[in-house]
Amino acid sequence: AQKITQTQPGMFVQEKEAVTLDCTYDTSDQSYGLFWYKQPSSGEMIFLIYQGSYDEQNATEGRYSLNFQKARKSANLVISASQLGDSAMYFCAMREATSNDYKLSFGAGTTVTVRA
Amino acid sequence: EADIYQTPRYLVIGTGKKITLECSQTMGHDKMYWYQQDPGMELHLIHYSYGVNSTEKGDLSSESTVSRIRTEHFPLTLESARPSHTSQYLCASSETLYSKMNFGSGTRLTVV
Repeated sequence: AQKITQTQPGMFVQEKEAVTLDCTYDTSDQSYGLFWYKQPSSGEMIFLIYQGSYDEQNATEGRYSLNFQKARKSANLVISASQLGDSAMYFCAMREATSNDYKLSFGAGTTVTVRA
Repeated sequence: EADIYQTPRYLVIGTGKKITLECSQTMGHDKMYWYQQDPGMELHLIHYSYGVNSTEKGDLSSESTVSRIRTEHFPLTLESARPSHTSQYLCASSETLYSKMNFGSGTRLTVV
């Protein structure tokens, strides 16, 4: 079964506007972590933001915020004030506490294109 | 912060050649990983390691092999490259359950 689902293959957003990237996850663990990564066309994976399952507040990092809805198993990424440099692929990932290998399971990704 | 290094960045090689993709990290992390990613697609775990002398196969079957003789070094080897091995290979490391996974810049492999 797919652990991470990202239903938006591609999105366009106008510069300076906000964009929300959807992510839903599937786990029976009580303790887990959710991560978002950015992958520009150059290919490297850039860590953006982390949310722990026991964190009561939504995580924020600069222009990135995570809309965490535990009951719905949803962890959407919000990018505010989009910039041209935000054009990239974005991946949602999850690590479950019961997996002692600490591996991340990734979604299929969402490609964001910021228009001037 | 480039604490995990992969070489080469790009590699074009002929079918049947043996290749080794290098990955080194300076953070002393026990856990290291290799992910395979086709262009525009998701990442698939092909190998991981808990520490020295530990290697495990990941979720996606791969003809590659790995070794972990030193904490900082986790090379991936293909004994006989084929065009189906054309992909990007990303090396990563992680410290704790709640810390981010650190990725290298990746190796883009093309087998012709």
